[in-house]
Amino acid sequence: DAGITQSPRHKVTETGTPVTLRCHQTENHRYMYWYRQDPGHGLRLIHYSYGVKDTDKGEVSDGYSVSRSKTEDFLLTLESATSSQTSVYFCAISDRGISTEAFFGQGTRLTVV
Amino acid sequence: RKEVEQDPGPFNVPEGATVAFNCTYSNSASQSFFWYRQDCRKEPKLLMSVYSSGNEDGRFTAQLNRASQYISLLIRDSKLSDSATYLCVVEGDTDKLIFGTGTRLQVFP
Repeated sequence: DAGITQSPRHKVTETGTPVTLRCHQTENHRYMYWYRQDPGHGLRLIHYSYGVKDTDKGEVSDGYSVSRSKTEDFLLTLESATSSQTSVYFCAISDRGISTEAFFGQGTRLTVV
Repeated sequence: RKEVEQDPGPFNVPEGATVAFNCTYSNSASQSFFWYRQDCRKEPKLLMSVYSSGNEDGRFTAQLNRASQYISLLIRDSKLSDSATYLCVVEGDTDKLIFGTGTRLQVFP
């Protein structure tokens, strides 16, 4: 299995609080992605990174920010969590971008109450 | 129109059956296509890439129809262990993978 871990695996937080999810890889892959998965919507891209300090928005980026200061770490921050951000968040990595296999972390289940 | 569309199912089939899933995509410039499998409450994992010439991996066959902009997945001789959600994945804009909502398959004895 690819070396990719997400932390925390589960989190319950209150509306309005900031939350940071961490994705850590040991594969030295260039590309890293954050997705959220909700019933009826499948996996939707939030943000992605194509190198250290190089990031771009996905289709559902509002309310989220990311940072990548090292190859191995990609952080997703919810500046002020809302109930609509209750979801399962998956991090993924790939070596050469869209033409190659993406490996996923085990997911973070976030509940905003 | 969604970029990638799949029938959500569920497809309920008996063991040994053959089942086929289709997926349509809107970006005619897409070059990369995949099928991923996701078990309940688990992360998605690559099942197979889809090539223009079609490809086969054991009981699984994937095909691409560029003219009609769809890809398909055929599973022969279904096993109980095939029960999962199958995600169609298509290249979006540069460096992005776009996922369909998934098709749920339930194989019963």
